[in-house]
Amino acid sequence: EVQLLESGGGLVQPGGSLRLSCTASGFRFSDYALTWVRQAPGKGLEWVSSISGSGGGTYYADSVKGRFTISRDNSKNTLYVQMNSLRAEDTALYYCAKAYTSRSFGGFDPWGQGTLVTVSS
Amino acid sequence: VLTQSPGTLSLSPGERATLSCRASQSVSSSSLAWYQQKPGLAPRLLVYDASSRATGIPDRFSGSGSGTDFTLTISRLEPEDFAVYYCQQYGSSPLTFGGGTKVKIK
Repeated sequence: EVQLLESGGGLVQPGGSLRLSCTASGFRFSDYALTWVRQAPGKGLEWVSSISGSGGGTYYADSVKGRFTISRDNSKNTLYVQMNSLRAEDTALYYCAKAYTSRSFGGFDPWGQGTLVTVSS
Repeated sequence: VLTQSPGTLSLSPGERATLSCRASQSVSSSSLAWYQQKPGLAPRLLVYDASSRATGIPDRFSGSGSGTDFTLTISRLEPEDFAVYYCQQYGSSPLTFGGGTKVKIK
């Protein structure tokens, strides 16, 4: 069974940093692109960042470009996102998700259960 | 930009639901997905590549369209289908989601 488990969320002050992790199991990790998607409370889904299976290709939403860095460790089956210069508008539930097929970046399936990031003083 | 319509759809069980997703520019290689999200749960993939059902998705869900206009059809609504539905394109960066359509019980 394919599983994704996020961790690392929490309360952080504006301007602070946080690193989220997503540990995967049940599939050949390096074959699949992975993605971070966030959902602010009561709002819709927002794509944050994606990374190719090898890690050589990375893509970011304009809203996080220059502040967030996506990476992966294929030896540890783990996806990361380093989030710096956090703002109140980054407050959201952050999901990691796996590309459904190995030949593209999406659709996303499955998704983890999410980890909550709250940016507040 | 992906624009979903309507924002809310009020229907009764057994009725047909037609959800629209319109892109501001052509979606590369029909790289469009549909998701269902219920309160407190992560989204679930229903359709990928515009018209392919994901594993385990009932055949009452069908996706169609190409270019800039896409549709998710639920042929006969079951009680468990009342939820929020999102479209998403993954043909080019930025990968974008639509704003969602809420399907509610009439």
